[in-house]
Amino acid sequence: SAVISQKPSRDICQRGTSLTIQCQVDSQVTMMFWYRQQPGQSLTLIATANQGSEATYESGFVIDKFPISRPNLTFSTLTVSNMSPEDSSIYLCSVRTGVTDTQYFGPGTRLTVL
Amino acid sequence: QKEVEQNSGPLSVPEGAIASLNCTYSDRGSQSFFWYRQYSGKSPELIMFIYSNGDKEDGRFTAQLNKASQYVSLLIRDSQPSDSATYLCAFNSGNTPLVFGKGTRLSVIA
Repeated sequence: SAVISQKPSRDICQRGTSLTIQCQVDSQVTMMFWYRQQPGQSLTLIATANQGSEATYESGFVIDKFPISRPNLTFSTLTVSNMSPEDSSIYLCSVRTGVTDTQYFGPGTRLTVL
Repeated sequence: QKEVEQNSGPLSVPEGAIASLNCTYSDRGSQSFFWYRQYSGKSPELIMFIYSNGDKEDGRFTAQLNKASQYVSLLIRDSQPSDSATYLCAFNSGNTPLVFGKGTRLSVIA
């Protein structure tokens, strides 16, 4: 498995601002994903972060709202733009190492938007 | 639309009993199946994965897969209060991201 860290672990933000979440992995991984988990809900995939190209977004998520970068095989960022209280959620980075197709999760970023 | 169905629970079992968690999935092309455990306030933790029909055992955990019935289950033997958590079923096909169920909340009563 991979060791995944996320920064920040939590934040409280004002409506209309943006927050960038970082995901760092201790080894090169084949695939990186960003999920959202709203209170009491399951995991919803936001996008697949592609190295060196635009992320692949799931239905209901757009690049202007959730821009994603992945400059190399160990790092990705997710920005939550122009935040509203509905964006309050836990954001999770997930990776696949390529040895198997199992996915591992980072510790998450708990975002509260006031 | 790929979907995973799980009973949200809560499922309550006495300590020492067998907990049985069930999951059905819609995509017949699914190849890989996973069970994650998520404690409150924590991120999901991989417990088991299974690719082939039949049973796969790991310690107190047994995963069962029936592709014909599109059904996967997780049995937890000798349940402990520390097993109390939400259990998430997930599947994928090849390089696709995991699709998750809503999770079943398990409560093991001491």
